Amino acid sequence: QKEVEQNSGPLSVPEGAIASLNCTYSDRVSQSFFWYRQYSGKSPELIMSIYSNGDKEDGRFTAQLNKASQYVSLLIRDSQPSDSATYLCAVISFGNEKLTFGTGTRLTIIP
Amino acid sequence: DAMVIQNPRYQVTQFGKPVTLSCSQTLNHNVMYWYQQKSSQAPKLLFHYYDKDFNNEADTPDNFQSRRPNTSFCFLDIRSPGLGDAAMYLCATSRDQGDRAGNEQFFGPGTRLTVL
Repeated sequence: QKEVEQNSGPLSVPEGAIASLNCTYSDRVSQSFFWYRQYSGKSPELIMSIYSNGDKEDGRFTAQLNKASQYVSLLIRDSQPSDSATYLCAVISFGNEKLTFGTGTRLTIIP
Repeated sequence: DAMVIQNPRYQVTQFGKPVTLSCSQTLNHNVMYWYQQKSSQAPKLLFHYYDKDFNNEADTPDNFQSRRPNTSFCFLDIRSPGLGDAAMYLCATSRDQGDRAGNEQFFGPGTRLTVL
């Protein structure tokens, strides 16, 4: 069973601090990794994609991938109240166009 | 702007009354997906089209059907909705052309289905 696991939270972070969201996956042939942000009652929005080991930065967001440890994380710097949402980690395995989602981490930024 | 559009945004139906949800895209993506998402759960893939090829998930009930008449449009038909089918239905697209960036899926705004 291919699985993607996230801490469901809720994770509370003070405004201006760094929010750290973590995800582990079980399928070693996973090759594409995504973070989606989902506001309550809305659809998922793609915010980061990462394919290679290391860090990828985009504005206040940094995705980190460690394939040896089967671990992917998302850091949000200078957290804002508008970052309050559920963050879904998703993974695609080699030769497969289907996403496997984690159950999401609910993040709350406290003003 | 290129986008994924879903209609209607909210749909109310009666128990057992067929309903059709619509998805269109201006991204010219070759893959289209239908997901069901219930409260506090991850999206669950129902089926997807790779071009014209239909791919059904093994655990998708027969009550759910789909049509893709052309590249831009895809429909979800629920033949006899039950109370357990009340959910958000999400359409997504990707442009799979063999590169990893093509795995990125972009979601429409969703249709919230209520079954009375």
